[in-house]
Amino acid sequence: DQQVKQNSPSLSVQEGRISILNCDYTNSMFDYFLWYKKYPAEGPTFLISISSIKDKNEDGRFTVFLNKSAKHLSLHIVPSQPGDSAVYFCAASEGTGGFKTIFGAGTRLFVKA
Amino acid sequence: GAGVSQSPSNKVTEKGKDVELRCDPISGHTALYWYRQSLGQGLEFLIYFQGNSAPDKSGLPSDRFSAERTGGSVSTLTIQRTQQEDSAVYLCASSPSGLAGGELFFGEGSRLTVL
Repeated sequence: DQQVKQNSPSLSVQEGRISILNCDYTNSMFDYFLWYKKYPAEGPTFLISISSIKDKNEDGRFTVFLNKSAKHLSLHIVPSQPGDSAVYFCAASEGTGGFKTIFGAGTRLFVKA
Repeated sequence: GAGVSQSPSNKVTEKGKDVELRCDPISGHTALYWYRQSLGQGLEFLIYFQGNSAPDKSGLPSDRFSAERTGGSVSTLTIQRTQQEDSAVYLCASSPSGLAGGELFFGEGSRLTVL
């Protein structure tokens, strides 16, 4: 049972344009949602997070939007840069029974120069 | 270094052998996680340690998998009688508090290949 789903395995965007990565979840008890970025042969690194009590969080070129009624969140990258090319993982955590973090399958972003 | 350290970085073993993977978390981090990433797949949760509490083992795929964390620091993931489907990158992460929403700091992973 996939609690966190990223249905697009890959996305290709032109440099300077907006990248939108999507994520859906099924567990309404999740308290926090996070995005991680992963380059080949490296561990994932934290990018941005949002609490379930908010609907938007912005950090520079990165903005995460949360729609709780739709159980959907998205990561916007504007403007996209070639260095943003990586795999992006959506993740969610809840406090009940511990604070384990569940990850989606990832979306590979290609930013073309 | 100050980051999460994992060893070995690469391990090739024969089917049926036991393997041990080690994780040194960031000093002072109370929470420690193990995940694995099979080829073309996402990050699969395996086990979570938080302080002195009983670990959350709900993600371990079979009883061939076990993990321990000694002294609240170093952790070892053991896979007994390895199978080819165990081939994956095993990632360890630590977190300062284990609180929901807390950032996880990942190591570079241990790539396991079972022949």
